[in-house]
Amino acid sequence: QMQLVESGGGVVQPGRSLSLSCAASGFTFSSYGMHWVRQAPGKGLEWVAVIWYDGSNRNYADSVKGRFTISRDNSKKTLHLQMNSLRVEDTAVYYCAKDVRFGSGTYWIDYWGQGTLVTVSS
Amino acid sequence: DIVMTQSPDSLAVSLGERATINCKSSQSVLYSSNNKNYLVWYQQKLGQSPKVLIYWASTRESGVPDRFNGSGSGTDFTLTISSLQAEDVAVYYCQQYYTTPRTFGQGTKVEIK
Repeated sequence: QMQLVESGGGVVQPGRSLSLSCAASGFTFSSYGMHWVRQAPGKGLEWVAVIWYDGSNRNYADSVKGRFTISRDNSKKTLHLQMNSLRVEDTAVYYCAKDVRFGSGTYWIDYWGQGTLVTVSS
Repeated sequence: DIVMTQSPDSLAVSLGERATINCKSSQSVLYSSNNKNYLVWYQQKLGQSPKVLIYWASTRESGVPDRFNGSGSGTDFTLTISSLQAEDVAVYYCQQYYTTPRTFGQGTKVEIK
């Protein structure tokens, strides 16, 4: 069955970097767009970034643009999120999520991982 | 960016009664070329990842009970739970996929009265 397993979360100081990964299985990873969505403790969902199935198109939330980079390795069925210049307000559970749309473009998320917690604190 | 605003922030409903959640977008999410509303509803239970309930504003995801219904068009949408069950206690989010950045509503917490 479909599985998305995030890793790389932890505690990091403000201004430092952290890299998240998401290992996908149970579906043809290379055919679907992928998202990162985050949720601060006790707060709502915030969309972070999306990447098309082939990596040709990427979009970001204004709050992370210029600091975060989404990427994918289709040969390894892995999604990445490189987070630089981290801020206290980036503290959240980060979810890796699969888009429902096959091929070009993206629609809604049809499957979510369990999330990995990133804490930015001095 | 499209701003999604849900109301109310929380509601308490008796078992078997109707729960209604509203979602308003700051601009239309109706794509005129295909007449589809690019609006999805998610349910998030405590300690779990979100789960899709409704897409295209009114199409129920496979396996979702028929007491969940989505309606609306353009900028105003509604999620209705026709007869609230104990397992429906959760936070519900709307999200637009009309454009990027994708944006969520702030969430509506549904509890049992």
